[in-house]
Amino acid sequence: NAGVTQTPKFQVLKTGQSMTLQCAQDMNHEYMSWYRQDPGMGLRLIHYSVGAGITDQGEVPNGYNVSRSTTEDFPLRLLSAAPSQTSVYFCASSSPSTGNEKLFFGSGTQLSVL
Amino acid sequence: SQQGEEDPQALSIQEGENATMNCSYKTSINNLQWYRQNSGRGLVHLILIRSNEREKHSGRLRVTLDTSKKSSSLLITASRAADTASYFCALRNYGGSQGNLIFGKGTKLSVKP
Repeated sequence: NAGVTQTPKFQVLKTGQSMTLQCAQDMNHEYMSWYRQDPGMGLRLIHYSVGAGITDQGEVPNGYNVSRSTTEDFPLRLLSAAPSQTSVYFCASSSPSTGNEKLFFGSGTQLSVL
Repeated sequence: SQQGEEDPQALSIQEGENATMNCSYKTSINNLQWYRQNSGRGLVHLILIRSNEREKHSGRLRVTLDTSKKSSSLLITASRAADTASYFCALRNYGGSQGNLIFGKGTKLSVKP
């Protein structure tokens, strides 16, 4: 199993550009989420999904969109990038329905918005 | 929603010593988890303790939970240089959506050889 795979690992955008951060997991986990990590701020939840076709907002959803058309994939879209979105983004998944609530994390995407 | 607060923010010890990190929170939780993050990497789950548990062990790790004081501690015994990392507590609030974890800001541990 590859676990949770994020692409790309690094990305530089100009203000106003759009892009999609990809996340895929091969563990058949129903729960997937996106966090951003900023220095001194810990991880903050952006959006999450409890299953295909179901998404919801986390703590800091503004400026981001998500969709969940399959169990495996959970892409994060930045519609119009802003410098405030410079951060490291982590995708995570888990399977609470099996009694296992531990999160499995991807290796992260480092995003810079100029 | 509440966030766990780790203490201390940074900790520097010698190899072989024990390291203790604490996490305090404000409202009722369903469970509390500890994660480790090596520099530039994703987080790795260490241990989960439920609200009806008081202590759990995993190898050199010992986690305690005191729901009356709303605090948890992570003890790493006989530390090694490879334990150098940031450690985060994460809370699932009571009644919160399964899977949603609120992370603290972390404790940065440095273990000197």
